[in-house]
Amino acid sequence: DTGVSQDPRHKITKRGQNVTFRCDPISEHNRLYWYRQTLGQGPEFLTYFQNEAQLEKSRLLSDRFSAERPKGSFSTLEIQRTEQGDSAMYLCASSFRSGQNTDTQYFGPGTRLTVL
Amino acid sequence: AQTVTQSQPEMSVQEAETVTLSCTYDTSENNYYLFWYKQPPSRQMILVIRQEAYKQQNATENRFSVNFQKAAKSFSLKISDSQLGDTAMYFCALVETSGSRLTFGEGTQLTVNP
Repeated sequence: DTGVSQDPRHKITKRGQNVTFRCDPISEHNRLYWYRQTLGQGPEFLTYFQNEAQLEKSRLLSDRFSAERPKGSFSTLEIQRTEQGDSAMYLCASSFRSGQNTDTQYFGPGTRLTVL
Repeated sequence: AQTVTQSQPEMSVQEAETVTLSCTYDTSENNYYLFWYKQPPSRQMILVIRQEAYKQQNATENRFSVNFQKAAKSFSLKISDSQLGDTAMYFCALVETSGSRLTFGEGTQLTVNP
């Protein structure tokens, strides 16, 4: 059983460029989450999907950020017109939610973004 | 809104000894789950232990156990027989049953010394 994978692991870009990250969840998981983690801090929630539906977005997710999960499997997170403040680790997590039972989220290795 | 606080930015322990990491939280809900995650240097976040708020019994996973005090909103992690591989950043996190997002604390950097 493979875990959550993310690609790329590292991305360096210039301010103003667009970047896209990919996350592949654990295969049977129906939920997929995106978090952002800055150095020395805990992760902060950005958004999550149940199957292909995006059910919640944080106010941290400005209109330059967009996330998709088109077929309920992998997800992409795109940042347009990157700014230096976007530099962070972007973490993906997945889980299986059944009924009212709270699911445990399993994390990927993250994509470290550096905006120059 | 829920909050999680870890008041110990750094801790150290000698190999084979026991260490306790502190976490306090706040939530207006009665049903929630608490987690400890471990993030080794340059490696991914790993689940250490999970506690359901409706359970009075403290969760245990091998050398890891929690002291869950619901009235005090406290959730500490005890690591027994510390090993060098336990060196990592440890995060306490909460999710309300009615929601989905994990809320994390600031983290505690634990160093196990040989």
